[in-house]
Amino acid sequence: GAGVSQSPSNKVTEKGKDVELRCDPISGHTALYWYRQSLGQGLEFLIYFQGNSAPDKSGLPSDRFSAERTGGSVSTLTIQRTQQEDSAVYLCASSLANAGGNEQFFGPGTRLTVL
Amino acid sequence: GEDVEQSLFLSVREGDSSVINCTYTDSSSTYLYWYKQEPGAGLQLLTYIFSNMDMKQDQRLTVLLNKKDKHLSLRIADTQTGDSAIYFCAESYAGRRALTFGSGTRLQVQP
Repeated sequence: GAGVSQSPSNKVTEKGKDVELRCDPISGHTALYWYRQSLGQGLEFLIYFQGNSAPDKSGLPSDRFSAERTGGSVSTLTIQRTQQEDSAVYLCASSLANAGGNEQFFGPGTRLTVL
Repeated sequence: GEDVEQSLFLSVREGDSSVINCTYTDSSSTYLYWYKQEPGAGLQLLTYIFSNMDMKQDQRLTVLLNKKDKHLSLRIADTQTGDSAIYFCAESYAGRRALTFGSGTRLQVQP
């Protein structure tokens, strides 16, 4: 079956512009995560969705970052007024809610470059 | 807060065993994971271990967990050039499903 897909694979934008990144989780996975991988910061958690529960937004670095998940499937991460420090690879992962091991399966990522 | 640490680099010869180490600080960790990332690719889950286990073996991979010392290791037997990648350890704990990752260990396999 298909894995986690993300689009676009690469995004170059100018400082101050808004961007939207998309994630399609594995079918049937109710948990969805966004992480960011940047030089000097490693992999950091951003936000987590589980079914209809309120998302865990504790990892979002500023109020310029937001995410939504429509219909319990596709998720969009939005960064408003992008800054150069937002340049990173944004990774999405999904998992089965009841998976005892909480195995998370990652997409290929979106590489964001802010000029 | 939780913290996960790894050494940055490991070089081995093809056919040798590789041992990648990781330490963590959160004693309430429930699961610990090893992920592999090849250049330009996402993260591939290799294996994971529940915190009440001390060893797990899966083909060429052996995970050892020393919960007392909060030390996790990944041994790759008969390392191949295709094993060259960055290896991340990660943890999750009860009440927090998001993973906390180490900084990654770059494994270089010399032919």
